[in-house]
Amino acid sequence: GESVGLHLPTLSVQEGDNSIINCAYSNSASDYFIWYKQESGKGPQFIIDIRSNMDKRQGQRVTVLLNKTVKHLSLQIAATQPGDSAVYFCAENGGGGADGLTFGKGTHLIIQP
Amino acid sequence: DTGVSQDPRHKITKRGQNVTFRCDPISEHNRLYWYRQTLGQGPEFLTYFQNEAQLEKSRLLSDRFSAERPKGSFSTLEIQRTEQGDSAMYLCASSLRAGGNTGELFFGEGSRLTVL
Repeated sequence: GESVGLHLPTLSVQEGDNSIINCAYSNSASDYFIWYKQESGKGPQFIIDIRSNMDKRQGQRVTVLLNKTVKHLSLQIAATQPGDSAVYFCAENGGGGADGLTFGKGTHLIIQP
Repeated sequence: DTGVSQDPRHKITKRGQNVTFRCDPISEHNRLYWYRQTLGQGPEFLTYFQNEAQLEKSRLLSDRFSAERPKGSFSTLEIQRTEQGDSAMYLCASSLRAGGNTGELFFGEGSRLTVL
């Protein structure tokens, strides 16, 4: 079936650099997307969301970009800090159907000192 | 703490035993979801409730899995006759459904199951 995936299982960046985490989705009915952060041993934590009527949304140090033409989602983290180390998941709603959110496999962000 | 709470956080059981996990959602949330997460994977949807009604259960992994939300507040997920392949983190999430699309899900810390 259709699913959400991420391009890289691991991303290593230097502390202070910007990070970009990518996600490709295949369900064209999806109109709502969320990025979650999951630290070891904890549940996923909401970072930022975006609806399909937007192509960019900014939060505190984070920006989500949505390209519906190529079904691509990205999360940009500015000035990466050690506390940003976690696994990042993108999730999509499949057009608001009964299945809640569909998650990708995740990208493990590693911060190098 | 007014977030989603799950109990127990860890459960070790022997194959063939039954286990039950409890989830208390955020109090004003009318939707409650159960997900399973195995190592290195994203959460996998199992079932969800709107108030006390279980609106989707076809994604439960087998007939050994069942969930209830009898009064529209807390929920339980039961796994009967556990198998080693059931070892995973079981996550509960809640949301406030308002209008059309699925909104943000608030997750609990999960219940980690180990089947020996």
